[in-house]
Amino acid sequence: AQSVTQLDSQVPVFEEAPVELRCNYSSSVSVYLFWYVQYPNQGLQLLLKYLSGSTLVKGINGFEAEFNKSQTSFHLRKPSVHISDTAEYFCAVSVSPRGSNYKLTFGKGTLLTVNP
Amino acid sequence: EAEVAQSPRYKITEKSQAVAFWCDPISGHATLYWYRQILGQGPELLVQFQDESVVDDSQLPKDRFSAERLKGVDSTLKIQPAELGDSAMYLCASSLDTGAIYGYTFGSGTRLTVV
Repeated sequence: AQSVTQLDSQVPVFEEAPVELRCNYSSSVSVYLFWYVQYPNQGLQLLLKYLSGSTLVKGINGFEAEFNKSQTSFHLRKPSVHISDTAEYFCAVSVSPRGSNYKLTFGKGTLLTVNP
Repeated sequence: EAEVAQSPRYKITEKSQAVAFWCDPISGHATLYWYRQILGQGPELLVQFQDESVVDDSQLPKDRFSAERLKGVDSTLKIQPAELGDSAMYLCASSLDTGAIYGYTFGSGTRLTVV
């Protein structure tokens, strides 16, 4: 079974500073990887996903993530954050679709707080 | 942009009462998911539908929870009787395919408070 570990429950940063949110996964088969963002009392919005190919994935709102198979990691980065990036960020994994049933498994989330 | 519709947005109910949530996925999305998100945690899958069939309900507490998607379109999740520990956000999501190639689209959720 797959699992996701988000290494930091909270990350405070100052506006315009760079940020990295860390995510590690475990799976015995190939995976698809995702980052979602959740604003207060809202559903989850897809930021970016890795399916195959280039290990550097670019998403919305200036975010990017790098897939590292040897370290089983999929860290999310942004070179300069804004106040509006304050939200909860979730890393998720889905196994490769060779099985009959698969689903997204989420990490526990990282609360990013951007301070002025 | 197409959205997943959920109602109600907020629900307060007393312990031991019945409660129901409704979800209307994006048109044409065959796969529908119900997730439960306890405050401060990531979403956990309760049930997955492919059209009108349940393909995974291994984490659904079947003694009190039920879910249906009778015509393979909208879906209802019911809790009877509600318990204090059921207080959470209930999220519905839909997907065009049976996997994750296109990603999931989530609704805004129903925030349930059991008192």
